[in-house]
Amino acid sequence: GQNIDQPTEMTATEGAIVQINCTYQTSGFNGLFWYQQHAGEAPTFLSYNVLDGLEEKGRFSSFLSRSKGYSYLLLKELQMKDSASYLCAVLDSNYQLIWGAGTKLIIKP
Amino acid sequence: SAVISQKPSRDICQRGTSLTIQCQVDSQVTMMFWYRQQPGQSLTLIATANQGSEATYESGFVIDKFPISRPNLTFSTLTVSNMSPEDSSIYLCSVRSGTGGDTGELFFGEGSRLTVL
Repeated sequence: GQNIDQPTEMTATEGAIVQINCTYQTSGFNGLFWYQQHAGEAPTFLSYNVLDGLEEKGRFSSFLSRSKGYSYLLLKELQMKDSASYLCAVLDSNYQLIWGAGTKLIIKP
Repeated sequence: SAVISQKPSRDICQRGTSLTIQCQVDSQVTMMFWYRQQPGQSLTLIATANQGSEATYESGFVIDKFPISRPNLTFSTLTVSNMSPEDSSIYLCSVRSGTGGDTGELFFGEGSRLTVL
């Protein structure tokens, strides 16, 4: 079966760095997405990785290793507004999106 | 980017009734996706709505329970029929970025939060 694993919840301190991991087992791979979802709101796009390596976009970076079926989202200089759920999703060989359950990130002052 | 409007944003419904959710996009799109997100859980794709043809439903979802209309390239509706408390969820309309093809990012509507009593 197809599976996406990410931690259920993480806690970090304002100003710090946090890494949210995502491992996947899917039938084929056409890219991996990270979305941010604030409570009560719709998900919004953060990043897309299809090649191995690190993609940096401001305070957020996303890494992919296809051979390991692994990705992480790195958030630097954490702000209180970064408190949200972070969803990992993989596009399989049929271009169907397989979603992880999301990681709830709690930022403390 | 795409701007997606969903109505209603929330509703409280009685068991056995049906509710139709509307989704309007500010640009023409080939496919529109309907998702369900139950509290604390991931997104689950209900169906893909294609203009001019019947919707494609995912395993576990059937047309009698979730009829979908797609009258044109900017609009779709999802009906949740004969509702039960298990249908209490957030329903999200989504479209794919026009420039990314099959790998384009998804844009989501604000969601419709349904509570079935």
